[in-house]
Amino acid sequence: DQQVKQNSPSLSVQEGRISILNCDYTNSMFDYFLWYKKYPAEGPTFLISISSIKDKNEDGRFTVFLNKSAKHLSLHIVPSQPGDSAVYFCAASDDDKVIFGPGTSLSVIP
Amino acid sequence: GAVVSQHPSWVICKSGTSVKIECRSLDFQATTMFWYRQFPKQSLMLMATSNEGSKATYEQGVEKDKFLINHASLTLSTLTVTSAHPEDSSFYICSARLYRASSYNSPLHFGNGTRLTVT
Repeated sequence: DQQVKQNSPSLSVQEGRISILNCDYTNSMFDYFLWYKKYPAEGPTFLISISSIKDKNEDGRFTVFLNKSAKHLSLHIVPSQPGDSAVYFCAASDDDKVIFGPGTSLSVIP
Repeated sequence: GAVVSQHPSWVICKSGTSVKIECRSLDFQATTMFWYRQFPKQSLMLMATSNEGSKATYEQGVEKDKFLINHASLTLSTLTVTSAHPEDSSFYICSARLYRASSYNSPLHFGNGTRLTVT
């Protein structure tokens, strides 16, 4: 049973436009959500997080939105840059362990 | 910032041998470390939670006698793949979090992973 879902395995966006990556979760005990970026053969790099008491967190070009009632979160990247091309993992934590989604491969086209 | 160092970055071993992977937190003390495994084009799968000074907690389906975890100090956790077989070939990644009690301001910091190939 997949507790964290990313239904889009891939996404292509034109440089300068907005990238929106979506994530859904099933466990209502999750109270902390994170987004990681990963290049091949490297460990994931932390991007941004949000706690369940908030509905939005912004850091530069990255904004994460949380809809707790829908158990849905999204990562917005604007403007998208070619260097943003990577696999993005959504993760959820219940203060004990961190569970990752399957990832979305983002390609930003110059 | 916080850095997690993982060693080796890649290893090739023969079937039946054992391989040890080290995970170190370089500028912070990690009471909890996590070991993940990633197959090609798949997500990071949590294998076990390593707690300093106590036994590791393994996820369902992960053989604790196969994947030995030792977290002897606040800065070092090791994963030993015992009697490795070709199906153990994978990308193993460790991560560490400073605080165990609260998750709000303590994202996981990851090592760069170890590519294990068993021939």
